[in-house]
Amino acid sequence: QVQLVQSGAEVREPGASVRISCKASGYIFINHYIHWLRQAPGQGFEWLGLINPNGRGGARRAPRFRDRVRMTTDASTTTVYMELDSLKSDDTAVYYCARDESSGYTYFDNWGQGTLVTVSP
Amino acid sequence: FILTQPHSVSESPGKTVTISCTGSGGAIAKNYVQWYQQRPGRAPTPVIHKDNRRPLGVSDRFSGSIDSTSNSASLTISGLQPEDEADYYCQSLDSNSPVIFGGGTRLTVL
Repeated sequence: QVQLVQSGAEVREPGASVRISCKASGYIFINHYIHWLRQAPGQGFEWLGLINPNGRGGARRAPRFRDRVRMTTDASTTTVYMELDSLKSDDTAVYYCARDESSGYTYFDNWGQGTLVTVSP
Repeated sequence: FILTQPHSVSESPGKTVTISCTGSGGAIAKNYVQWYQQRPGRAPTPVIHKDNRRPLGVSDRFSGSIDSTSNSASLTISGLQPEDEADYYCQSLDSNSPVIFGGGTRLTVL
């Protein structure tokens, strides 16, 4: 079955960076975009960006994260990474990777379990 | 394009509830709408995609629809059960972003 397993919780100081991994299994890795979203405590979802794992580097980031988010993939381990730089306290959130069914419209058919990132002095 | 949901709805077990998702700044029927259920402390799971399709394993008590007149999507849950108590989010896209979410609706099963 399709699984997305994310790395564990992280605590960072303001100004630092954090990298979260998302290990995919149970399907053909290169056939589905992976998106990154986050959910601040008690809030809704915010989209950070997407990456095409086909190795040709196609990615798209939300405008407000364009300078701070990097996404990469490793097809040999079927893992997607998201790095967020210059952390601020309002970056404290649960970060999710989600698989796009990729049928021509954005539909998240499988989600990772979430990674809590806490930004605190 | 903005999707607006009621903050909360409540209904009794066995009843039917409908959660709305109203579009502003564009036609909601232009792109498909998805619905996700999120229980406390858990990742979301899809309950409706492509406006009204149920993913495998989702109960037929869940249904989705689009009303172009009111520019809104709706998620209807019939025969409410205690385990339906959760947050529900609608999701679509527009020309500026491949992902737009509504603010979420907290469903309480009384």
